[in-house]
Amino acid sequence: GAGVSQSPSNKVTEKGKDVELRCDPISGHTALYWYRQSLGQGLEFLIYFQGNSAPDKSGLPSDRFSAERTGGSVSTLTIQRTQQEDSAVYLCASSKRTGTNEKLFFGSGTQLSVL
Amino acid sequence: QKEVEQNSGPLSVPEGAIASLNCTYSDRGSQSFFWYRQYSGKSPELIMFIYSNGDKEDGRFTAQLNKASQYVSLLIRDSQPSDSATYLCAVRDDYKLSFGAGTTVTVRA
Repeated sequence: GAGVSQSPSNKVTEKGKDVELRCDPISGHTALYWYRQSLGQGLEFLIYFQGNSAPDKSGLPSDRFSAERTGGSVSTLTIQRTQQEDSAVYLCASSKRTGTNEKLFFGSGTQLSVL
Repeated sequence: QKEVEQNSGPLSVPEGAIASLNCTYSDRGSQSFFWYRQYSGKSPELIMFIYSNGDKEDGRFTAQLNKASQYVSLLIRDSQPSDSATYLCAVRDDYKLSFGAGTTVTVRA
């Protein structure tokens, strides 16, 4: 596609429910990233994919968070048993490949609200 | 702990003036540097990148990098109300892009 696509754009859920956030990167981009941005805060790194593998999961806040990527394309971030502190904007980004000069392009994000 | 530090602002400048944003980073091995602009409620948008020491100009934007001082800056010349946004400094080391908390800029008409 022309840009990074994320769905849903907004998600309101009740505490304790599971949620799934989807990211469709730019076609041909092999590297995919998930970041989280809480209100008024900077971007917090969650996880990085190169192809279908995730060499760095160090940013996932707890074992309630997991992510997968299939076919080297679409990625899903799953949050189990959501808590109110999970409320944030979840941003997905992609780049052509891994490399110091590669530029990241962001999707429009999913605003998650946990009531 | 790799850190990217920015003044949070807000930075208020009159229309037509120069806005100067600063960023320092802790990892001396960092190799590439990016400035993203983020409008309220929107996702970050890449506006500048710089890899080598010195200045890089693109339209009204100039990025400056000093690796010895671990310092990168962004100048916005002839500031316009449409430049009002939060500017995020990002530092790349290998695959990972680490972000500062951002500087909020307000351009007064």
